[in-house]
Amino acid sequence: KNQVEQSPQSLIILEGKNCTLQCNYTVSPFSNLRWYKQDTGRGPVSLTIMTFSENTKSNGRYTATLDADTKQSSLHITASQLSDSASYICVVSDRGSTLGRLYFGRGTQLTVWP
Amino acid sequence: EADIYQTPRYLVIGTGKKITLECSQTMGHDKMYWYQQDPGMELHLIHYSYGVNSTEKGDLSSESTVSRIRTEHFPLTLESARPSHTSQYLCASSQQGAGEKLFFGSGTQLSVL
Repeated sequence: KNQVEQSPQSLIILEGKNCTLQCNYTVSPFSNLRWYKQDTGRGPVSLTIMTFSENTKSNGRYTATLDADTKQSSLHITASQLSDSASYICVVSDRGSTLGRLYFGRGTQLTVWP
Repeated sequence: EADIYQTPRYLVIGTGKKITLECSQTMGHDKMYWYQQDPGMELHLIHYSYGVNSTEKGDLSSESTVSRIRTEHFPLTLESARPSHTSQYLCASSQQGAGEKLFFGSGTQLSVL
């Protein structure tokens, strides 16, 4: 069964600290993996998209890694800010069609305290 | 910021009412989607469209219907709302291509009393 599991479910950190969110998946065949940030009451916003051949991609203070062999990804946030408080969603696409079917994780709820 | 808009942002209605959730995008994207999301849960695809006059049901069974008469417009209609329809509804769009990025609207939070 194709699944996307994220951990931890929730995380609280102090402003300025770093954190790492995890995503494990069983989706096959694999096409790409995306990380989205979703603020409360808003739609998700894309942070990174990685294909099979990419093992790291950065977007400002966000760095995503991908190990396609172990089917694991992580999102590392550096020097956290209050505005980083949000849900971070891992999404994996298979190669079934042009876009591919998307499998969504339940997200990690990150809270940054001052 | 994505140029995709959803209205209304919040809607509280009584059981049995007919409602239409609006979604419009100005990016000229061919593909549009409707997702349903409950708190703490993953997004579930309920409808999608690959272009004008194309509509398909998604993975999650839904009593809603959609139409795609214009490229930029993808409304979702519930003929008779029930409390089980209470949820957040997210509209998204993308342009065909490798690794195509999904752009989401801000969502409509629907509460059916």
